Amino acid sequence: DGGITQSPKYLFRKEGQNVTLSCEQNLNHDAMYWYRQDPGQGLRLIYYSQIVNDFQKGDIAEGYSVSREKKESFPLTVTSAQKNPTAFYLCASSFGGRYTEAFFGQGTRLTVV
Amino acid sequence: AQKVTQAQTEISVVEKEDVTLDCVYETRDTTYYLFWYKQPPSGELVFLIRRNSFDEQNEISGRYSWNFQKSTSSFNFTITASQVVDSAVYFCALSEDNDMRFGAGTRLTVKP
Repeated sequence: DGGITQSPKYLFRKEGQNVTLSCEQNLNHDAMYWYRQDPGQGLRLIYYSQIVNDFQKGDIAEGYSVSREKKESFPLTVTSAQKNPTAFYLCASSFGGRYTEAFFGQGTRLTVV
Repeated sequence: AQKVTQAQTEISVVEKEDVTLDCVYETRDTTYYLFWYKQPPSGELVFLIRRNSFDEQNEISGRYSWNFQKSTSSFNFTITASQVVDSAVYFCALSEDNDMRFGAGTRLTVKP
């Protein structure tokens, strides 16, 4: 089945540690996105990539890093520089361009302990 | 800069009532796209509809309908005869360039 797979579903991190969230898609989509969801704030764009080996910062990129070495994969690293990393993270993909809808994974809930 | 406002944080209705979810957007571009997504408790967002800035026709799909008005920069979503399964968080989104920005979402609870 085609879709977007995010792993793990739940993740716990100690303060000061980096952690990487996985996102894989087999929809042959060119574009991929990372969003952060906090209660009452909707989805905020962290990073997006329209093509392999290229990505752009979204509205809240500070404390995060990404890579896009393969079309199918767009991992997100939450670094120790992110001051408030506890949140629900959603990965999405699309064919690219402003007119295409995005398809979402089931999310990763990150908790800093 | 683009911005999407969903002023209704939470709405609660009784089954079979009609309910309208409001969405107001800001953009300087003349070409843009608007979307509605549903987020059930499982967390995964589900695409409902897309509308481009040049198409102001209202659309109906079963119990769902959408009213797009450029004059008021609004793209409202109405559920007719609501059902318990409609309970979810609904997001309005705007795509102006190669990204997509979302509103804060409206949590809809439909009680039996």
